[in-house]
Amino acid sequence: DSGVTQTPKHLITATGQRVTLRCSPRSGDLSVYWYQQSLDQGLQFLIQYYNGEERAKGNILERFSAQQFPDLHSELNLSSLELGDSALYFCASSVGRENIQYFGAGTRLSVL
Amino acid sequence: AQKITQTQPGMFVQEKEAVTLDCTYDTSDQSYGLFWYKQPSSGEMIFLIYQGSYDEQNATEGRYSLNFQKARKSANLVISASQLGDSAMYFCAMTPQAGTALIFGKGTTLSVSS
Repeated sequence: DSGVTQTPKHLITATGQRVTLRCSPRSGDLSVYWYQQSLDQGLQFLIQYYNGEERAKGNILERFSAQQFPDLHSELNLSSLELGDSALYFCASSVGRENIQYFGAGTRLSVL
Repeated sequence: AQKITQTQPGMFVQEKEAVTLDCTYDTSDQSYGLFWYKQPSSGEMIFLIYQGSYDEQNATEGRYSLNFQKARKSANLVISASQLGDSAMYFCAMTPQAGTALIFGKGTTLSVSS
């Protein structure tokens, strides 16, 4: 168990809908990262938060947004969903100089 | 731009044999981190081992060791005494600077047979 909790594990929804993915980092970790894993794009970084503030953005679509709350949990919001958004979405948290990132079990999103 | 290359799409090994998974990286940064993750068929991403660019010794964690050759920009994962449970996808990754996101390779599928 990595200590990073993601909910839900599976999400099935329709095109055009909006969903929210939730992540609770390991106790004490201030950084939260979101990644998307798909067959064609591989593992891609979406966005990073550090202690409530956005730190870095990767290949995140404008339809996607995220935030980190005062208790350090984070949410990734995906809107106007398209078939191509179907993927495994990971959250990871880290602390320390080595920046070792521990991953949650992921949320598997299926857009039908 | 930083890049991770894993040239072996699939590797096959028998139980108790050692196996090396290749990884090369490209970066102009002097300080960076190298990582290996394991992804079983269940989908979770499991951290295996870390190597810092300034670490002079190769990292080891149980049956895993990282063969770090800085001049060649390679960071190969060596798994000793393979077990059936080692069958999974293995990803090499790097962080170009401290506190930044991981850049992943495309992965290598390892199949261990009895």
